[in-house]
Amino acid sequence: IAGITQAPTSQILAAGRRMTLRCTQDMRHNAMYWYRQDLGLGLRLIHYSNTAGTTGKGEVPDGYSVSRANTDDFPLTLASAVPSQTSVYFCASSPSEGVFNEQFFGPGTRLTVL
Amino acid sequence: GQNIDQPTEMTATEGAIVQINCTYQTSGFNGLFWYQQHAGEAPTFLSYNVLDGLEEKGRFSSFLSRSKGYSYLLLKELQMKDSASYLCAGLDSNYQLIWGAGTKLIIKP
Repeated sequence: IAGITQAPTSQILAAGRRMTLRCTQDMRHNAMYWYRQDLGLGLRLIHYSNTAGTTGKGEVPDGYSVSRANTDDFPLTLASAVPSQTSVYFCASSPSEGVFNEQFFGPGTRLTVL
Repeated sequence: GQNIDQPTEMTATEGAIVQINCTYQTSGFNGLFWYQQHAGEAPTFLSYNVLDGLEEKGRFSSFLSRSKGYSYLLLKELQMKDSASYLCAGLDSNYQLIWGAGTKLIIKP
């Protein structure tokens, strides 16, 4: 693994189904983030984690949950998917939270909820 | 509220210079980032400004005026591969990035 990976690349999901998007980084970064990107809107933060064992809510956390059991993995779960969660999801990581903290992004997961 | 404004789309000619503007309003301020995002790909870091002035990095430069809540990204000697979206993001007092919607830059031969 080099950098940050996400799985799946894309997914079509029936409304009401549960779905977990996976994110793994091998850079030993402390901080990790989940964003969604919708046409015409900026990246919006869903949840974040400043270090393993801690998580926080971002701008649009409703309908999503995360966990951070270790440094490398930061899965995002949709408990019961709805069509408004159709989006491109990006996972990102940075060495730590704080000033000048370049975020490195994964390739994204394109999710369609029907 | 927090807000980042940048133009939706710009067009420029190969070999020319283009300036992409960004105005920001954040709760506290810890710096301004520019990222590049090619269609269907992830954003990649271009620049970071926290002090007023111009930061030059090859063909790309970024400027910040904290008193005006204003930044711009200057791209020189445009190449076709520079066709992408350019995302402006402000780092607020909680060290969270507030993102603009991005400026789609179209380069014509």
